[in-house]
Amino acid sequence: AQSVTQLDSQVPVFEEAPVELRCNYSSSVSVYLFWYVQYPNQGLQLLLKYLSGSTLVKGINGFEAEFNKSQTSFHLRKPSVHISDTAEYFCAVRNTGGFKTIFGAGTRLFVKA
Amino acid sequence: DADVTQTPRNRITKTGKRIMLECSQTKGHDRMYWYRQDPGLGLRLIYYSFDVKDINKGEISDGYSVSRQAQAKFSLSLESAIPNQTALYFCATGVRRREGLETQYFGPGTRLLVL
Repeated sequence: AQSVTQLDSQVPVFEEAPVELRCNYSSSVSVYLFWYVQYPNQGLQLLLKYLSGSTLVKGINGFEAEFNKSQTSFHLRKPSVHISDTAEYFCAVRNTGGFKTIFGAGTRLFVKA
Repeated sequence: DADVTQTPRNRITKTGKRIMLECSQTKGHDRMYWYRQDPGLGLRLIYYSFDVKDINKGEISDGYSVSRQAQAKFSLSLESAIPNQTALYFCATGVRRREGLETQYFGPGTRLLVL
Protein backbone atom coordinates (compact mmCIF):
# COMPACT_ATOMS: atom_id res chain seq x y z
CA ALA A 1 0.00 0.00 0.00
CA GLN A 2 1.10 3.55 -0.65
CA SER A 3 0.70 6.66 1.47
CA VAL A 4 1.49 10.32 0.98
CA THR A 5 2.38 12.90 3.60
CA GLN A 6 2.34 16.60 2.86
CA LEU A 7 4.29 18.13 5.68
CA ASP A 8 2.71 21.58 5.68
CA SER A 9 -1.01 22.23 5.69
CA GLN A 10 -0.57 25.94 4.93
CA VAL A 11 2.33 27.92 3.48
CA PRO A 12 2.14 31.71 3.47
CA VAL A 13 4.70 33.48 1.28
CA PHE A 14 5.24 36.93 -0.15
CA GLU A 15 4.94 37.59 -3.86
CA GLU A 16 8.17 37.02 -5.81
CA ALA A 17 9.66 34.91 -3.01
CA PRO A 18 10.67 31.29 -3.61
CA VAL A 19 8.53 28.49 -2.25
CA GLU A 20 8.90 24.78 -1.54
CA LEU A 21 5.95 22.51 -0.79
CA ARG A 22 7.08 19.27 0.79
CA CYS A 23 5.82 15.79 0.01
CA ASN A 24 6.99 12.41 1.27
CA TYR A 25 5.60 9.09 0.22
CA SER A 26 5.88 5.47 1.25
CA SER A 27 5.56 2.47 -1.03
CA SER A 28 6.98 -1.02 -1.29
CA VAL A 29 6.81 -0.92 -5.10
CA SER A 30 7.92 1.53 -7.75
CA VAL A 31 5.61 4.48 -8.19
CA TYR A 32 4.60 7.37 -10.36
CA LEU A 33 4.38 10.72 -8.57
CA PHE A 34 2.17 13.71 -9.28
CA TRP A 35 1.44 17.23 -8.17
CA TYR A 36 -2.03 18.66 -8.75
CA VAL A 37 -3.23 22.23 -8.21
CA GLN A 38 -6.73 23.24 -7.21
CA TYR A 39 -7.67 26.87 -7.70
CA PRO A 40 -10.65 28.21 -5.71
CA ASN A 41 -13.95 26.69 -6.85
CA GLN A 42 -12.28 24.55 -9.48
CA GLY A 43 -11.34 20.92 -9.94
CA LEU A 44 -7.84 19.49 -9.76
CA GLN A 45 -5.44 20.19 -12.58
CA LEU A 46 -2.24 18.26 -13.22
CA LEU A 47 0.82 20.41 -12.53
CA LEU A 48 3.55 17.87 -13.24
CA LYS A 49 4.39 14.20 -12.97
CA TYR A 50 7.38 11.95 -12.49
CA LEU A 51 7.34 8.70 -14.44
CA SER A 52 10.99 7.77 -14.83
CA GLY A 53 14.29 9.19 -16.02
CA SER A 54 15.46 12.62 -14.91
CA THR A 55 14.67 13.25 -11.28
CA LEU A 56 13.98 16.94 -11.91
CA VAL A 57 10.58 17.41 -13.47
CA LYS A 58 9.31 20.67 -14.89
CA GLY A 59 5.62 21.49 -14.97
CA ILE A 60 3.28 24.27 -15.91
CA ASN A 61 3.37 27.81 -14.51
CA GLY A 62 7.08 27.67 -13.67
CA PHE A 63 6.83 24.88 -11.09
CA GLU A 64 9.28 22.02 -10.82
CA ALA A 65 9.70 19.04 -8.54
CA GLU A 66 12.58 16.76 -7.67
CA PHE A 67 12.20 13.06 -7.08
CA ASN A 68 14.53 11.77 -4.36
CA LYS A 69 14.26 8.02 -4.11
CA SER A 70 16.52 7.61 -1.07
CA GLN A 71 14.50 10.14 0.91
CA THR A 72 11.18 9.09 -0.67
CA SER A 73 10.39 12.72 -1.35
CA PHE A 74 8.91 14.69 -4.23
CA HIS A 75 9.06 18.34 -3.18
CA LEU A 76 7.52 21.05 -5.35
CA ARG A 77 9.37 24.32 -5.92
CA LYS A 78 8.96 27.64 -7.65
CA PRO A 79 11.71 30.30 -7.62
CA SER A 80 9.34 33.27 -7.64
CA VAL A 81 5.64 33.03 -6.87
CA HIS A 82 2.78 35.22 -8.04
CA ILE A 83 -0.50 36.15 -6.40
CA SER A 84 -2.19 33.91 -8.95
CA ASP A 85 -0.37 30.87 -7.52
CA THR A 86 -2.61 31.02 -4.45
CA ALA A 87 -4.29 27.61 -4.47
CA GLU A 88 -4.27 24.22 -2.83
CA TYR A 89 -1.62 21.78 -3.99
CA PHE A 90 -1.93 18.02 -3.76
CA CYS A 91 0.85 15.48 -4.00
CA ALA A 92 -0.23 12.05 -5.22
CA VAL A 93 1.27 8.64 -5.83
CA ARG A 94 0.27 5.63 -7.92
CA ASN A 95 2.07 2.33 -8.23
CA THR A 96 3.40 1.75 -11.73
CA GLY A 97 1.24 -1.32 -12.23
CA GLY A 98 -2.02 0.17 -10.99
CA PHE A 99 -4.54 2.92 -11.53
CA LYS A 100 -5.57 3.98 -8.01
CA THR A 101 -4.17 7.36 -7.09
CA ILE A 102 -3.44 8.07 -3.43
CA PHE A 103 -3.61 11.76 -2.58
CA GLY A 104 -1.98 13.70 0.21
CA ALA A 105 -4.02 15.96 2.46
CA GLY A 106 -3.07 19.07 0.51
CA THR A 107 -1.05 22.21 1.16
CA ARG A 108 -2.73 25.57 0.92
CA LEU A 109 -0.38 28.15 -0.57
CA PHE A 110 -1.16 31.79 0.23
CA VAL A 111 0.77 34.37 -1.77
CA LYS A 112 0.69 37.81 -0.21
CA ALA A 113 1.42 41.13 -1.90
CA ASP B 1 -17.01 23.99 -22.95
CA ALA B 2 -15.76 21.93 -20.02
CA ASP B 3 -14.83 18.33 -20.78
CA VAL B 4 -16.05 16.99 -17.42
CA THR B 5 -19.18 18.57 -15.98
CA GLN B 6 -20.88 17.99 -12.66
CA THR B 7 -24.41 18.90 -11.59
CA PRO B 8 -25.40 20.38 -9.29
CA ARG B 9 -22.42 22.50 -8.27
CA ASN B 10 -23.85 23.12 -4.83
CA ARG B 11 -26.55 21.29 -2.87
CA ILE B 12 -28.02 21.55 0.59
CA THR B 13 -30.13 18.67 1.81
CA LYS B 14 -31.49 17.17 5.01
CA THR B 15 -30.55 14.01 6.83
CA GLY B 16 -32.33 10.98 5.38
CA LYS B 17 -32.95 12.43 1.93
CA ARG B 18 -31.85 10.67 -1.25
CA ILE B 19 -29.45 12.69 -3.36
CA MET B 20 -28.00 12.11 -6.80
CA LEU B 21 -24.89 13.82 -8.12
CA GLU B 22 -24.34 13.64 -11.84
CA CYS B 23 -21.22 13.63 -13.96
CA SER B 24 -20.94 13.89 -17.73
CA GLN B 25 -17.88 13.87 -19.95
CA THR B 26 -17.18 14.65 -23.56
CA LYS B 27 -13.65 13.25 -23.56
CA GLY B 28 -14.65 9.78 -24.72
CA HIS B 29 -12.82 8.12 -21.83
CA ASP B 30 -13.79 4.68 -20.63
CA ARG B 31 -12.75 5.17 -17.02
CA MET B 32 -14.69 7.31 -14.58
CA TYR B 33 -14.25 7.94 -10.87
CA TRP B 34 -15.99 9.53 -7.91
CA TYR B 35 -13.90 11.04 -5.11
CA ARG B 36 -14.77 12.99 -2.01
CA GLN B 37 -12.57 15.71 -0.59
CA ASP B 38 -12.54 16.58 3.09
CA PRO B 39 -10.35 19.25 4.69
CA GLY B 40 -7.09 17.74 5.86
CA LEU B 41 -7.78 14.39 4.21
CA GLY B 42 -7.18 15.02 0.53
CA LEU B 43 -9.24 13.05 -1.99
CA ARG B 44 -10.55 9.58 -1.30
CA LEU B 45 -11.95 7.19 -3.88
CA ILE B 46 -15.62 6.24 -3.52
CA TYR B 47 -16.35 4.23 -6.69
CA TYR B 48 -14.77 3.70 -10.06
CA SER B 49 -15.87 2.30 -13.40
CA PHE B 50 -13.72 1.02 -16.26
CA ASP B 51 -16.64 0.73 -18.64
CA VAL B 52 -20.42 0.66 -18.57
CA LYS B 53 -20.55 -2.89 -17.21
CA ASP B 54 -17.59 -2.65 -14.86
CA ILE B 55 -18.21 -0.85 -11.56
CA ASN B 56 -16.08 -1.23 -8.46
CA LYS B 57 -16.01 0.00 -4.89
CA GLY B 58 -13.28 2.33 -3.77
CA GLU B 59 -11.94 2.82 -0.28
CA ILE B 60 -15.03 4.58 1.17
CA SER B 61 -18.08 3.23 -0.66
CA ASP B 62 -20.36 2.67 2.36
CA GLY B 63 -23.48 4.83 2.13
CA TYR B 64 -23.02 5.47 -1.59
CA SER B 65 -24.10 3.81 -4.82
CA VAL B 66 -23.35 4.59 -8.47
CA SER B 67 -24.82 4.12 -11.88
CA ARG B 68 -22.98 4.19 -15.20
CA GLN B 69 -25.83 4.98 -17.55
CA ALA B 70 -23.61 5.39 -20.58
CA GLN B 71 -19.93 5.76 -21.36
CA ALA B 72 -20.29 9.50 -20.85
CA LYS B 73 -22.38 9.50 -17.65
CA PHE B 74 -21.58 8.34 -14.13
CA SER B 75 -23.93 9.22 -11.27
CA LEU B 76 -23.32 9.02 -7.54
CA SER B 77 -26.23 8.49 -5.15
CA LEU B 78 -26.53 8.93 -1.43
CA GLU B 79 -29.49 6.71 -0.55
CA SER B 80 -30.05 8.31 2.85
CA ALA B 81 -27.81 11.29 3.39
CA ILE B 82 -26.13 11.84 6.75
CA PRO B 83 -24.21 14.89 8.02
CA ASN B 84 -20.78 13.25 7.78
CA GLN B 85 -21.30 12.99 4.03
CA THR B 86 -20.95 16.76 3.87
CA ALA B 87 -17.97 17.20 1.56
CA LEU B 88 -16.77 18.30 -1.84
CA TYR B 89 -17.33 15.60 -4.44
CA PHE B 90 -15.27 15.26 -7.59
CA CYS B 91 -15.86 13.23 -10.68
CA ALA B 92 -12.88 12.31 -12.83
CA THR B 93 -12.28 10.52 -16.10
CA GLY B 94 -9.24 8.50 -17.01
CA VAL B 95 -7.49 7.31 -20.10
CA ARG B 96 -4.72 4.75 -20.19
CA ARG B 97 -1.74 5.92 -22.21
CA ARG B 98 0.50 3.73 -24.32
CA GLU B 99 3.17 3.56 -21.64
CA GLY B 100 0.60 2.15 -19.23
CA LEU B 101 0.16 5.36 -17.31
CA GLU B 102 -3.32 6.74 -16.78
CA THR B 103 -4.05 10.44 -16.92
CA GLN B 104 -7.04 11.66 -14.94
CA TYR B 105 -9.17 14.73 -15.65
CA PHE B 106 -11.29 16.24 -12.92
CA GLY B 107 -14.63 17.98 -12.97
CA PRO B 108 -15.22 21.24 -11.06
CA GLY B 109 -16.73 19.54 -8.03
CA THR B 110 -20.08 19.45 -6.22
CA ARG B 111 -20.26 20.96 -2.77
CA LEU B 112 -22.77 19.02 -0.65
CA LEU B 113 -24.06 20.07 2.75
CA VAL B 114 -26.18 17.62 4.73
CA LEU B 115 -28.06 19.22 7.59
